[in-house]
Amino acid sequence: DAGVTQSPTHLIKTRGQHVTLRCSPISGHKSVSWYQQVLGQGPQFIFQYYEKEERGRGNFPDRFSARQFPNYSSELNVNALLLGDSALYLCASSFTRVVETQYFGPGTRLLVL
Amino acid sequence: RKEVEQDPGPFNVPEGATVAFNCTYSNSASQSFFWYRQDCRKEPKLLMSVYSSGNEDGRFTAQLNRASQYISLLIRDSKLSDSATYLCVVNGLTGGGNKLTFGTGTQLKVEL
Repeated sequence: DAGVTQSPTHLIKTRGQHVTLRCSPISGHKSVSWYQQVLGQGPQFIFQYYEKEERGRGNFPDRFSARQFPNYSSELNVNALLLGDSALYLCASSFTRVVETQYFGPGTRLLVL
Repeated sequence: RKEVEQDPGPFNVPEGATVAFNCTYSNSASQSFFWYRQDCRKEPKLLMSVYSSGNEDGRFTAQLNRASQYISLLIRDSKLSDSATYLCVVNGLTGGGNKLTFGTGTQLKVEL
């Protein structure tokens, strides 16, 4: 079975630009969560989506937004990019929205110049 | 205070050694607990869940102490392939769903 997939794998943007990252969960999983991992730190929770609705939001500015589609795939959007947004963006999926194991995709490595 | 605290290391140990990692968490309402392993420039992968009764998977043993809000991971007979960053992870409710809260990770280097 395919695991969580993310695209693109790498991305280079300049300050002020906008970026869209994509995630497809494991087949049958209905919940998608997004995390940001900057170098030397653990991943930080950004959003959780379940059944196309936002179920949780971390401490990130409104420049960050996301959505989930009927097929449970998800997009993370970041506007007005800052240098500090350079990070590995991880998507994780789980079957439901409640407390359980989440499985991570390979991530999208974003560099903002 | 950070929600999940770990010693960042690095822990440099010889092959065959036993090494222990510790972690503390601040939210007493946390629901479940995990250790994830992360190799350099890769995604985190679930190593094992952590229960109050303790659980063992081969050379790995994890333990949870809810009263002290403390989680541990013991690795016996270390292998070169165990070199990685070990992330202590706490799963808690957000109101409408759940989120994982990660520690900064503890780096392990197993040497010949």
